[in-house]
Amino acid sequence: GAVVSQHPSWVICKSGTSVKIECRSLDFQATTMFWYRQFPKQSLMLMATSNEGSKATYEQGVEKDKFLINHASLTLSTLTVTSAHPEDSSFYICSATIQNYNEQFFGPGTRLTVL
Amino acid sequence: AQTVTQSQPEMSVQEAETVTLSCTYDTSENNYYLFWYKQPPSRQMILVIRQEAYKQQNATENRFSVNFQKAAKSFSLKISDSQLGDTAMYFCAFMKEGSYGKLTFGQGTILTVHP
Repeated sequence: GAVVSQHPSWVICKSGTSVKIECRSLDFQATTMFWYRQFPKQSLMLMATSNEGSKATYEQGVEKDKFLINHASLTLSTLTVTSAHPEDSSFYICSATIQNYNEQFFGPGTRLTVL
Repeated sequence: AQTVTQSQPEMSVQEAETVTLSCTYDTSENNYYLFWYKQPPSRQMILVIRQEAYKQQNATENRFSVNFQKAAKSFSLKISDSQLGDTAMYFCAFMKEGSYGKLTFGQGTILTVHP
């Protein structure tokens, strides 16, 4: 149980285009979802926390207009990288939690390459 | 705010031997959880072991065990009988109780198991 999926697993796009990444909890309802960014051989950097039906809370230094997060339902959150540039190339990971469960369940990640 | 420190960027061990990864943390909270996550080359985050701060007994999961020293704010991971499949990046993480599952990660330790 507690499976989180991400789609796509790998995406290549041209500079200036927007890219949407989906994060789904497959067998549970996630009260909170988290989005991380990770560079090679580095730790996970929390970008934002989202709760179903409310606006995401962004970490300091993360541009909310650049990284749009929508948490439309208890099983789906999306991250849209708008007007992507090569410096946005990274590995993006989502995770989800169940209320009062005190554990995060991680998706497999999405590799974004911006040309 | 909480901080988590992993002071060993890289470690190596021979197959079948034992290795210990270090982690220290800083917090003023009394109720919290500590985790060790494994991130193999596939980059899927895998929960290795979890410790509740209120429990004095050290958590164990098969070949993995922790040495939790609450007063010293130390949480090391011991891997016994190391296997090639243990090669991965390992992250220590902290979660405050009631924080909706928000994790604070350490910098990570790259572990290589040699045949």
